[in-house]
Amino acid sequence: QSALTQPPSASGSPGQSVTISCTGTSSDVGNYDYVSWYQQYPGKAPKVIIYDVNKRPSGVPDRFSGSTSGNTASLTVSGLQAEDEADYYCCSYAGRNRYAFGTGTKLTVL
Amino acid sequence: QVQLQESGPRLVNPSGTLSLTCGVSGASISSGSYWSWVRQPPGEGLEWIGQISDDGYTDYKTSLNSRVTISVDKSKNEFSLKIISMTAADTAVYYCVRHGGFHFDSWGQGTLVTVSS
Repeated sequence: QSALTQPPSASGSPGQSVTISCTGTSSDVGNYDYVSWYQQYPGKAPKVIIYDVNKRPSGVPDRFSGSTSGNTASLTVSGLQAEDEADYYCCSYAGRNRYAFGTGTKLTVL
Repeated sequence: QVQLQESGPRLVNPSGTLSLTCGVSGASISSGSYWSWVRQPPGEGLEWIGQISDDGYTDYKTSLNSRVTISVDKSKNEFSLKIISMTAADTAVYYCVRHGGFHFDSWGQGTLVTVSS
């Protein structure tokens, strides 16, 4: 279960939209609709913000959305807010009851 | 609301064995969910270690398979992680998590384990 590839950093100004990519393979992202995204603040545990590619848990703002295309998943944050500055990790089911996380992206709100 | 709490030693000797326990409250570990361990080396990304079902069926990350054991104690409503032959590369914050389907919906606060003599 190799790590999925994310850009190390992303940034945007308040109110703008930013998209973070997550590239896997045909054995994980490209084969299952089980991609999830996690938001992590420094020193805190991750929190799920997107699951099953594009579903949002209760309480997560609809500014967060997810999608996939082929072997790449994407997280879009619309209407960027200062509180969105955090680390973001994708995760995909990789078959045979195994999971792979992304390398992580640090989102900076300018 | 389910809560998970990791417990165990914070310092492990090189070549030693790590043993962590995750206490679950607010939900039964026999509820049909899967339970996993995830770790994060300082300043690095997340790594899934392995999972266990409530009936004790386990799956591990391939590269860790030979060193990892996850077990469950239904009577105590907890599950545990054991990693043998620890090295500095195993220094990390270790999280216990609950699955909500094919994602992780509840996380413990995490515990930093350092491998050092």
